[in-house]
Amino acid sequence: EPEVTQTPSHQVTQMGQEVILRCVPISNHLYFYWYRQILGQKVEFLVSFYNNEISEKSEIFDDQFSVERPDGSNFTLKIRSTKLEDSAMYFCASSIEGDYIQYFGAGTRLSVL
Amino acid sequence: SQQGEEDPQALSIQEGENATMNCSYKTSINNLQWYRQNSGRGLVHLILIRSNEREKHSGRLRVTLDTSKKSSSLLITASRAADTASYFCATSRSTGYSTLTFGKGTMLLVSP
Repeated sequence: EPEVTQTPSHQVTQMGQEVILRCVPISNHLYFYWYRQILGQKVEFLVSFYNNEISEKSEIFDDQFSVERPDGSNFTLKIRSTKLEDSAMYFCASSIEGDYIQYFGAGTRLSVL
Repeated sequence: SQQGEEDPQALSIQEGENATMNCSYKTSINNLQWYRQNSGRGLVHLILIRSNEREKHSGRLRVTLDTSKKSSSLLITASRAADTASYFCATSRSTGYSTLTFGKGTMLLVSP
């Protein structure tokens, strides 16, 4: 069964460093999303991406964040200068056109020290 | 902004019992979904109910939606230890693609 894959599973970084989280969405999906979940809290929407551009973003997704689809398969989330409060589980998701169901990856746990 | 809130926050039952979780939201929606998250893993879609539907079944799952009260419930019948997980409701507000707004979740523990 096709699945969304995310790498790495765990990323440890120093405050102020740049990190890139990687995702490979399901191959025929056209809509891509990033969400995050701070430990013990709800899953929060960050950004959605369609047709090579951001279609929607939340207040969390400030200038420190960016997304890119560098090739036909990868979808990345970059945090330019990490802060302690960026520590969270980051989930990538994808969906097909016209479908509300989103398929999630297993997540990348980001720990900012 | 719309917001799903589940209750109870935690639920502990024995295998074979039924588990009921509730979700409330604040604004109009196009549909409501339930997702499951096993510890440390990603979210898995369980069931979707549209705003013009009142009840939906899928295997041992039964979902109800009351748009007048802006609430939904998820019933898992004849629970199993493997049902142990966190359960989240998520709402979508528009047509086409749509971001999901998640609630805080209910942690379900099913003991053998």
